[in-house]
Amino acid sequence: QVQLVQSETEMKPPGASVRVSCTASGYSLTDHYIHWVRQAPGQGLEWLGWINGNSGGTKYPERVQGRVTLTRDTSSNTAYMEVTRLTSDDTAVYYCAKDSTSRGNMDVWGQGTTVIVSS
Amino acid sequence: SSGLTQPLSVSVSPGQTVTITCSGDKLPYSYVYWYQQKSGQSPVLVISQGTLRPSGIPERFSGSHSGDTATLTIRGAQSMDEADYVCQSWHSNHGAVFGPGTKVTVL
Repeated sequence: QVQLVQSETEMKPPGASVRVSCTASGYSLTDHYIHWVRQAPGQGLEWLGWINGNSGGTKYPERVQGRVTLTRDTSSNTAYMEVTRLTSDDTAVYYCAKDSTSRGNMDVWGQGTTVIVSS
Repeated sequence: SSGLTQPLSVSVSPGQTVTITCSGDKLPYSYVYWYQQKSGQSPVLVISQGTLRPSGIPERFSGSHSGDTATLTIRGAQSMDEADYVCQSWHSNHGAVFGPGTKVTVL
């Protein structure tokens, strides 16, 4: 059974960085892409970028370029997302999602990781 | 603004049909997706590439596309279909764009 399991809730002060992990099971990370999406409280979904599980190549929307970094570790079948220079606006649930087509088809999602930015 | 427009909310009686539209400039015909998100849960893909239904998604869910508008139809709506429905497009230049979501109430 294909599954994505994410790391636990994080609480960070403003200005800090956070790294969220997403461990794939039931398939090899190198076979597909992983997207990262976030949802602020009461808000819609926002795309943060994707990583090619095979090559490690990445793509980010302009609004997060330079503040979001996506990586992966093929030995542990895990993808990572780091967000730097956190502000209260980054408080959200962060999701990873698998894409087997490289065309935005997010067919399996992780359970979500809550990141709270507060002093 | 997300660039995609959806109605804020729609309501439907049990057993009836509800349609949800998603409009956007140059909406790519083959790269439109629909997700169902229930309160406190992760999104679930219900329609892929405009019209395809992933394995495990009930036949009452269908997708269509005309011009710059994609449509999600739920025929014979059930109480379990009460959720937010979000459309998403994919563009080779700037990646994924999500619509604001439509809250479907079954009453």
